[in-house]
Amino acid sequence: SQTIHQWPATLVQPVGSPLSLECTVEGTSNPNLYWYRQAAGRGLQLLFYSVGIGQISSEVPQNLSASRPQDRQFILSSKKLLLSDSGFYLCAWAQTGVYGYTFGSGTRLTVV
Amino acid sequence: AQSVSQHNHHVILSEAASLELGCNYSYGGTVNLFWYVQYPGQHLQLLLKYFSGDPLVKGIKGFEAEFIKSKFSFNLRKPSVQWSDTAEYFCAVNKGGSQGNLIFGKGTKLSVKP
Repeated sequence: SQTIHQWPATLVQPVGSPLSLECTVEGTSNPNLYWYRQAAGRGLQLLFYSVGIGQISSEVPQNLSASRPQDRQFILSSKKLLLSDSGFYLCAWAQTGVYGYTFGSGTRLTVV
Repeated sequence: AQSVSQHNHHVILSEAASLELGCNYSYGGTVNLFWYVQYPGQHLQLLLKYFSGDPLVKGIKGFEAEFIKSKFSFNLRKPSVQWSDTAEYFCAVNKGGSQGNLIFGKGTKLSVKP
């Protein structure tokens, strides 16, 4: 069966520090992969999606970047975190995108 | 731009009350519609989905949703809520036949009083 792993679960980072959040999917190949941010009162905002290795599309301009070095690995990064980057980050995968997503357990990022 | 509106930010009900959470979307073409639920401390889970066919969709845990194309709505309903239904509920839409990027509403928190 397919599983999605996301880590770490919580992270506290100082302003200006780098960030790397990792997401991996098992049990499937060539999934569509997504990074969402969930901020209080703002719902879920799509940040990046990827339909294949090395293919990244950004939905909103921001301080973050994403990479997909392997088929089932999706990484969210920042060179210098801002206070406004605090939030709950969710990785998700879908085989075609039409049938709904499966979400990871999320990472709570607090920038101090 | 495509958008999803959930009208209620926070709904408080007593057990056994009926529930209806509103969801409207702005896209005019063929859409796929979803409701997700996030229980406290847990990750997002798919509650139900609509692609085509019968506009009344039944999901897990007694939830159902009705797609009304003329109203661009996909409201979530449950006849009798339980304390365990306390969670945040998200409506989501994607364009039919697209790569599947889901657009989410801002969510509705449901608190059920025992």
